[in-house]
Amino acid sequence: AQKITQTQPGMFVQEKEAVTLDCTYDTSDPSYGLFWYKQPSSGEMIFLIYQGSYDQQNATEGRYSLNFQKARKSANLVISASQLGDSAMYFCAMREISGTYKYIFGTGTRLKVLA
Amino acid sequence: DGGITQSPKYLFRKEGQNVTLSCEQNLNHDAMYWYRQDPGQGLRLIYYSQIVNDFQKGDIAEGYSVSREKKESFPLTVTSAQKNPTAFYLCASIQTGTGNEKLFFGSGTQLSVL
Repeated sequence: AQKITQTQPGMFVQEKEAVTLDCTYDTSDPSYGLFWYKQPSSGEMIFLIYQGSYDQQNATEGRYSLNFQKARKSANLVISASQLGDSAMYFCAMREISGTYKYIFGTGTRLKVLA
Repeated sequence: DGGITQSPKYLFRKEGQNVTLSCEQNLNHDAMYWYRQDPGQGLRLIYYSQIVNDFQKGDIAEGYSVSREKKESFPLTVTSAQKNPTAFYLCASIQTGTGNEKLFFGSGTQLSVL
């Protein structure tokens, strides 16, 4: 069964510094997708970045990059040059591509950016 | 503008009462989802539907029911069998088969027990 684990309930980072949010996953499906979403205090879910299991390069979207280490089954989110507006909950998620369209999420990491 | 509309934003349930949360999308998406969010537990999948008139249980389906009679609508009923319904409920959708894996979310419904 697919599983997502986020072991950092909360993180602090100084403004303008980089921060890494950890995510490990478990699946027996060789084809899967990994995602990161941001949830500000308003409750909306904002899609940040996607990585396919067969993608050769790590995904990047602006200040967000996904450090994909397939052998270690990790998909860490790196946020560069942190901004105060990055303070939010961050969720890692996964879908097994050869299965149904079932998406599962981790428990999340609350990031606080300090001025 | 296309999107997902959840209503109401806040909902209160009395003991022994069934309540229904609405989720409507005008994105023409095939698949729709209901998630429950509790503090410290992330998003847990309640039910999902890949096509009209079909749906599958997620990880925490007990005490909930859904229907998918129309492509654009996926209402969630929280029954009296759900003993701890207080949570934030999120509806999501996606167009299957396109390779675009981005889930679209509604703005959520906060359900509380009186």
